[in-house]
Amino acid sequence: GNSVTQMEGPVTLSEEAFLTINCTYTATGYPSLFWYVQYPGEGLQLLLKATKADDKGSNKGFEATYRKETTSFHLEKGSVQVSDSAVYFCALSTNYGGSQGNLIFGKGTKLSVKP
Amino acid sequence: DAGITQSPRHKVTETGTPVTLRCHQTENHRYMYWYRQDPGHGLRLIHYSYGVKDTDKGEVSDGYSVSRSKTEDFLLTLESATSSQTSVYFCAISRTSEQETQYFGPGTRLLVL
Repeated sequence: GNSVTQMEGPVTLSEEAFLTINCTYTATGYPSLFWYVQYPGEGLQLLLKATKADDKGSNKGFEATYRKETTSFHLEKGSVQVSDSAVYFCALSTNYGGSQGNLIFGKGTKLSVKP
Repeated sequence: DAGITQSPRHKVTETGTPVTLRCHQTENHRYMYWYRQDPGHGLRLIHYSYGVKDTDKGEVSDGYSVSRSKTEDFLLTLESATSSQTSVYFCAISRTSEQETQYFGPGTRLLVL
């Protein structure tokens, strides 16, 4: 079946450090891939997405590249800020339109950035 | 901002009581979803809707029912709440122009005592 595996946290970094959060997936067909971010006490916000192989999603300094050969969609940022402290979720979507629609989520990775 | 509101935002109830959560959207989107979020599980789909009166089950639908009598409202009902249904519930929508992408509401925190 379809699944998403992301690195377990928590991840603690100092401000301006480089961030990588690993995400790999298992899916039939050609999934779209997403990163969502959840700040404390809030809902999930779409951070970035990629809908086909080799696409790079980017937003707010974060990037992730859809790698079909390694079934990965790792999240990176060159220089994190305290305000990036949040929980990050990797997700995939394989069915949409018609009568089906579903996102499969990883368990989330909590990031804490210290000044 | 996808124009999604959820009500109530917080609720405490007792085991065995019925509970209804409401998701309201202002942009007339066809697809709506209910998820629950639990530590160690990420988010899991409960039910979804692809139009008025058109709904289907998700991964964790046992103990839940839904209704959609008009486009803007998607209701989630716990017929007889149990402590295992203590969770944070999120509603989401997807736009017809980008159906694979879902946008989430602010969530409802439910505690069943």
